[in-house]
Amino acid sequence: DAKTTQPPSMDCAEGRAANLPCNHSTISGNEYVYWYRQIHSQGPQYIIHGLKNNETNEMASLIITEDRKSSTLILPHATLRDTAVYYCILFRRGGADGLTFGKGTHLIIQP
Amino acid sequence: EPEVTQTPSHQVTQMGQEVILRCVPISNHLYFYWYRQILGQKVEFLVSFYNNEISEKSEIFDDQFSVERPDGSNFTLKIRSTKLEDSAMYFCASSDPGRGAPSNQPQHFGDGTRLSIL
Repeated sequence: DAKTTQPPSMDCAEGRAANLPCNHSTISGNEYVYWYRQIHSQGPQYIIHGLKNNETNEMASLIITEDRKSSTLILPHATLRDTAVYYCILFRRGGADGLTFGKGTHLIIQP
Repeated sequence: EPEVTQTPSHQVTQMGQEVILRCVPISNHLYFYWYRQILGQKVEFLVSFYNNEISEKSEIFDDQFSVERPDGSNFTLKIRSTKLEDSAMYFCASSDPGRGAPSNQPQHFGDGTRLSIL
């Protein structure tokens, strides 16, 4: 399976943009890039996903490089509630597959 | 916003006993999943379920596990003879098949059931 690489931890000041990188150099053409986060003691929360175009929703923006080998999740104005573990996951278009979670990036928002 | 609900939030069971974890997926979703997370470790996929049968399962999902959709709203995970190493958070998820196939709709998770085996 294609895998992703993320830094284990990052800090960001409250109110600033948090930019979380993810490398996925072996991504296949039919794999989407998904981002989830897990706030302590809660279930994973879906954030955003994309195939090759940049995407934006009310939570975040996703920038995918043209060669699709890496991506960046952007939280435009981080708040303390954004402190969580963020997971970058490749998911083959299909529907029934399970998600493969790595260790993710522990993002800590500093006041 | 619709959400996946799981009950109970915490289940304590004696080793060797059977346990059933319950989930109510989002109402118009048709794909259902179970995951587990042992304390301090990664979230691990167990099984997916569609059209009243298992679609995919991981190596973890052995003969002691089973899943069922007993009615139009519930989705359950049964562990037949619990072991100490079954202690974990168990997450249920569901997804919308979307229009046409294949789909790329995201999976939405509940907040889990903490299973403690004594």
